[in-house]
Amino acid sequence: QVQLVQSGAEVTKPGASVKVSCKTSGFTFTTFYFHWVRQAPGQGPEWMGVIRHSAGSTTYAEKFQDRFTMTRDTSTSAVYMELRSLRSEDTALYYCARDAMVGAIGVIDHWGQGTLVTVSS
Amino acid sequence: EIVLTQSPGTLSLSPGQRATLSCRASQSVSSDYLAWYQQKVGQAPRLLIYGISRRATGIPDRFSGSGSGTDFSLTISRLEPEDFAVYYCQQYGASPPYTFGQGTNLEIK
Repeated sequence: QVQLVQSGAEVTKPGASVKVSCKTSGFTFTTFYFHWVRQAPGQGPEWMGVIRHSAGSTTYAEKFQDRFTMTRDTSTSAVYMELRSLRSEDTALYYCARDAMVGAIGVIDHWGQGTLVTVSS
Repeated sequence: EIVLTQSPGTLSLSPGQRATLSCRASQSVSSDYLAWYQQKVGQAPRLLIYGISRRATGIPDRFSGSGSGTDFSLTISRLEPEDFAVYYCQQYGASPPYTFGQGTNLEIK
């Protein structure tokens, strides 16, 4: 079955960076796009970016453009995200998610379990 | 960026009743690229509807989506106990960011 398994919770300080991994299985990795979506406590989801299957090109939400990077490793079927210059407002649950590939980018049909990132001094 | 505003914030109904949730976009959503998700406490969102009215795999037919342009609805024809959750609309497709609404909390009355 489709699985997206993320790395564990992180506690970091303001100004630091965090890298979260997402290991996938149960499907052909290279035929799907992947997203990162975060959700702050009590808030709706917030889309951060997408990485495509062809050449691993990326598109990021403008608000994260200068401090967010998505990468993938096709040999291990994993995707990664790194968020730099962390601030307290970045405290959230970060989800890795698979695109449903229904003809337009952005519909998400499978999600990881989420990784809680806490930014606190 | 397209802003999605959902109403009501909280909807209190009883099992067996009909629920109608609203999602309004700040500008027209292109090519019917509107989806709905259900989220229960401690779980990731679950895809219900995409393309305004297409049910995702395994979604019961009591869930239906409708609307066009800037006004969309999710209807649950007859509420089951497992339907009480938070629901989010999302626009996707043409231009990122693929924004979500702030959610409607469907609670048991």
